[in-house]
Amino acid sequence: DTGVSQDPRHKITKRGQNVTFRCDPISEHNRLYWYRQTLGQGPEFLTYFQNEAQLEKSRLLSDRFSAERPKGSFSTLEIQRTEQGDSAMYLCASSLDPGTGSGANVLTFGAGSRLTVL
Amino acid sequence: AQSVSQHNHHVILSEAASLELGCNYSYGGTVNLFWYVQYPGQHLQLLLKYFSGDPLVKGIKGFEAEFIKSKFSFNLRKPSVQWSDTAEYFCAVNAITGGFKTIFGAGTRLFVKA
Repeated sequence: DTGVSQDPRHKITKRGQNVTFRCDPISEHNRLYWYRQTLGQGPEFLTYFQNEAQLEKSRLLSDRFSAERPKGSFSTLEIQRTEQGDSAMYLCASSLDPGTGSGANVLTFGAGSRLTVL
Repeated sequence: AQSVSQHNHHVILSEAASLELGCNYSYGGTVNLFWYVQYPGQHLQLLLKYFSGDPLVKGIKGFEAEFIKSKFSFNLRKPSVQWSDTAEYFCAVNAITGGFKTIFGAGTRLFVKA
């Protein structure tokens, strides 16, 4: 397994355009998380999935953000009508089901997708 | 809601100096605690974790952390830092009542002078 993969690594877009990020988690991990990180801040929780079910979405997340994990494997995060304030690093992480025991909820992160909105 | 507070945003040390990074969390229930590290140009990765048992946990590269429940703290320590410890360190917490969603602190950027 090659770990958590994210694509693209960098995206530059103009304000108002839509962007989509993809995350491929570790294959045996059924939990998948999206975080956003800006300079000088820690990862900020956006949403997470258990298999294909989206269990929680941050209240800070506007309706312009949507995430899917249709088959319980890879996930996509789409941002519609991007704004300059959306510029950030978007991180994906995966883990085993926390119910499978201690150590299961340790996150493995991808390299992130850096978004710049002009 | 869970939150994590890290006391120092930037720390500069000379090699061989001792390190202690403060972390406090606000959550009253049973928690799992973590320190993650991000070395320059690398992914975030786990440094150490506490789930239960001995409140003094040891991680990679000589790091350790102590869970003090009464103080809601999980401070990270290393007796003698090396230049290669230059990185950003994040304290994090999750709990079953939060669906094991992991919440991170703002991070501490450590620079070790050779």
